[in-house]
Amino acid sequence: GAVVSQHPSRVICKSGTSVKIECRSLDFQATTMFWYRQFPKQSLMLMATSNEGSKATYEQGVEKDKFLINHASLTLSTLTVTSAHPEDSSFYICSARSPGAYGYTFGSGTRLTVV
Amino acid sequence: DAKTTQPPSMDCAEGRAANLPCNHSTISGNEYVYWYRQIHSQGPQYIIHGLKNNETNEMASLIITEDRKSSTLILPHATLRDTAVYYCIVRVGTDYKLSFGAGTTVTVRA
Repeated sequence: GAVVSQHPSRVICKSGTSVKIECRSLDFQATTMFWYRQFPKQSLMLMATSNEGSKATYEQGVEKDKFLINHASLTLSTLTVTSAHPEDSSFYICSARSPGAYGYTFGSGTRLTVV
Repeated sequence: DAKTTQPPSMDCAEGRAANLPCNHSTISGNEYVYWYRQIHSQGPQYIIHGLKNNETNEMASLIITEDRKSSTLILPHATLRDTAVYYCIVRVGTDYKLSFGAGTTVTVRA
């Protein structure tokens, strides 16, 4: 089946630094990927839709200058959290539209802790 | 956008069938119903999806009412490893986004 690999699984960074999270579709091409954020004991919140070769579409209330998304190839989308602060600490999950019966495949998530 | 309503939690005995309801009364004719589950600190896992016919795979069965306003996910023989948050999702419009509601926390007990 379709596999989406997300890296890193955990990252701790200092306040004010930037962190890049990668999302790769391993065995299929993904023209569209999605980025979610999940706070403890809450559901997944869609942050943005990433389209290969074009600008990402951000959900209302998500700062596009803070959460930079790049989808430069059909198998890779990246999310960069710029000038991270403790309130950005969260679980970030990517997803890709996948072929066949699965429809959408999710990465395993990245636990970001900003100290 | 079609929204879904699920009970916040439910318990199930190991080895018994677990029936998870979902209401989606505003669903449009061409919108699919997806079910995912999320085990703690992992990404969501696909379970099943359907349009109007009942569906079955190796994990579960999906029963969709004739008017499509509700559906039920059936885990035929629940195991402890099925303990998770289960999300019923209706795909939003034509932009292929999946928006998650609160889901149902299912606890399978021995």
